[in-house]
Amino acid sequence: EAEVAQSPRYKITEKSQAVAFWCDPISGHATLYWYRQILGQGPELLVQFQDESVVDDSQLPKDRFSAERLKGVDSTLKIQPAELGDSAMYLCASSLVYPPEQYFGPGTRLTVT
Amino acid sequence: AQSVAQPEDQVNVAEGNPLTVKCTYSVSGNPYLFWYVQYPNRGLQFLLKYITGDNLVKGSYGFEAEFNKSQTSFHLKKPSALVSDSALYFCAVRYLDRGSTLGRLYFGRGTQLTVWP
Repeated sequence: EAEVAQSPRYKITEKSQAVAFWCDPISGHATLYWYRQILGQGPELLVQFQDESVVDDSQLPKDRFSAERLKGVDSTLKIQPAELGDSAMYLCASSLVYPPEQYFGPGTRLTVT
Repeated sequence: AQSVAQPEDQVNVAEGNPLTVKCTYSVSGNPYLFWYVQYPNRGLQFLLKYITGDNLVKGSYGFEAEFNKSQTSFHLKKPSALVSDSALYFCAVRYLDRGSTLGRLYFGRGTQLTVWP
């Protein structure tokens, strides 16, 4: 069964450092999502891609976060500089346009010290 | 405004008993509704969805959910709980922004289900 791949699974970094996460969606899924999940809460959308284009980045803190999906397949989410409040689980998901259910990767647990 | 409420932080049930995890939503138009399950340090797994049609939808692992438009609810149910069902459950609603075929997904805060032997 096809799955969304993410790496690394765990990342510990010091504040003010740069950190990057990678996601490889299910083959054929044109839509890719990055979510942030703070402990005890549901995931919140950071950015959504349709192929290589950003279609929703309204909740992305653009002063420190950036995301790209250059060839419309895999994607990278970057934080620079990291802050203590960025400690969270970062989830990647992908979907077809229809049916609309999203499939999630295992996530990257980020700890900023 | 779009929102999803899961009124119970925790649900405890004995193995073999029926379980219900509640979800209500507030969104205009005709929403798409989803349930996901999350095990510790894992991503979310899709369980089931309602888009249109029969109000009772069946999903993975014996779960089902009932869409009630008048009560704006989408409760998750299972006739007989298993210890292995213990996990964090999220309800989500997708609202299609006007003029767009792409809609963002809004998640509830989650309900921790514990099934005891």
